[in-house]
Amino acid sequence: AQKVTQAQTEISVVEKEDVTLDCVYETRDTTYYLFWYKQPPSGELVFLIRRNSFDEQNEISGRYSWNFQKSTSSFNFTITASQVVDSAVYFCALEGGQGFSFIFGKGTRLLVKP
Amino acid sequence: EAGVAQSPRYKIIEKRQSVAFWCNPISGHATLYWYQQILGQGPKLLIQFQNNGVVDDSQLPKDRFSAERLKGVDSTLKIQPAKLEDSAVYLCASSLDRGLGYTFGSGTRLTVV
Repeated sequence: AQKVTQAQTEISVVEKEDVTLDCVYETRDTTYYLFWYKQPPSGELVFLIRRNSFDEQNEISGRYSWNFQKSTSSFNFTITASQVVDSAVYFCALEGGQGFSFIFGKGTRLLVKP
Repeated sequence: EAGVAQSPRYKIIEKRQSVAFWCNPISGHATLYWYQQILGQGPKLLIQFQNNGVVDDSQLPKDRFSAERLKGVDSTLKIQPAKLEDSAVYLCASSLDRGLGYTFGSGTRLTVV
């Protein structure tokens, strides 16, 4: 069975602080994909990043960076110098299995205060 | 390219009534999902289609929920009869193929009173 765990329910930081959102996954597959999505208050799900299980290279995109470690089954997301506009719920997701089911974690609500 | 279209945007019904949601995925996208997102929770997978075939409907409450994807394009999700606990946002997502990332529609917010 596949599972995504986001242990942090809610995080509150002050603007310009760095913040890391944790994601731990479980799967028996050797081929799988990991994702992060952002859901702002408006409700739409915005794609941030996709990683396949064979690519453990960390990625940086502007203020966003992702750390993928297969040894610990983690795919953590760091926002550097957070801004108020980063306030949203962030979901980690896993795609894999025979049918390539796509499942989400419960999300982490990030509140960035000015 | 146009995004994933969903309608209606909002729906309010009384319990025991029926309701249907429509999704038009991005043109050419073979994979289509329906999710249920209850307020404060992550999206929960209801059903997955690959073209017009069902790949996974293990979490679909089949006594009241049904879904179809005729001709492998548009899809409809129906609830009959609705219960109070069905109040949620119903999201549709599509992808060119498995593993390529998904584009989500804006969702249909259902309120059952």
